[in-house]
Amino acid sequence: AQSVTQLGSHVSVSEGALVLLRCNYSSSVPPYLFWYVQYPNQGLQLLLKYTTGATLVKGINGFEAEFKKSETSFHLTKPSAHMSDAAEYFCAVSFTGGGNKLTFGTGTQLKVEL
Amino acid sequence: DAGVTQSPTHLIKTRGQQVTLRCSPKSGHDTVSWYQQALGQGPQFIFQYYEEEERQRGNFPDRFSGHQFPNYSSELNVNALLLGDSALYLCASSSYGQGFYEQYFGPGTRLTVT
Repeated sequence: AQSVTQLGSHVSVSEGALVLLRCNYSSSVPPYLFWYVQYPNQGLQLLLKYTTGATLVKGINGFEAEFKKSETSFHLTKPSAHMSDAAEYFCAVSFTGGGNKLTFGTGTQLKVEL
Repeated sequence: DAGVTQSPTHLIKTRGQQVTLRCSPKSGHDTVSWYQQALGQGPQFIFQYYEEEERQRGNFPDRFSGHQFPNYSSELNVNALLLGDSALYLCASSSYGQGFYEQYFGPGTRLTVT
């Protein structure tokens, strides 16, 4: 069975500081990995995805993530936080042969302070 | 290009009642998935429809049912509502042929059961 663990339900950074949101997954088959962002009272927006190929993937709004198979991780980073990055971030996994059903983590609330 | 749309935006129901939520997929998409997001949690997969048939189902009781129409739009029906059904219901669409693993989410329907 697949699962996703997001370490830290709340993360606070200063504007301009590095953003690091952690995600570890468990999957018995090669995973497809995703990061979604959710602003208050809105749906989910896809930030970036890893399916195959290059393990460092770049997404929208300056975010990127690296798939590390040996560590079963897919951490999300952004070099410099902006106030507009404050939102909830969800890591999700699906896998080949399993349809495209997504299994989500419990989310990390990112707060950006002046 | 219209994205995923959902209706209604909000609704309030009483325990024991029945509710129907609606979803129109993104243009060009033929697969619709439904997710339930309880407050403070990540979305949980309910089921997926493709070619007007339920293809995958998550761990939800039979009170949750759905339908997909020839124009690919979909409905989620919940019978005998419980207080615990209060949540944000998200619809996601994808294309079975291309980019299947990339799902686009709608803004959600906020259901409150009193």
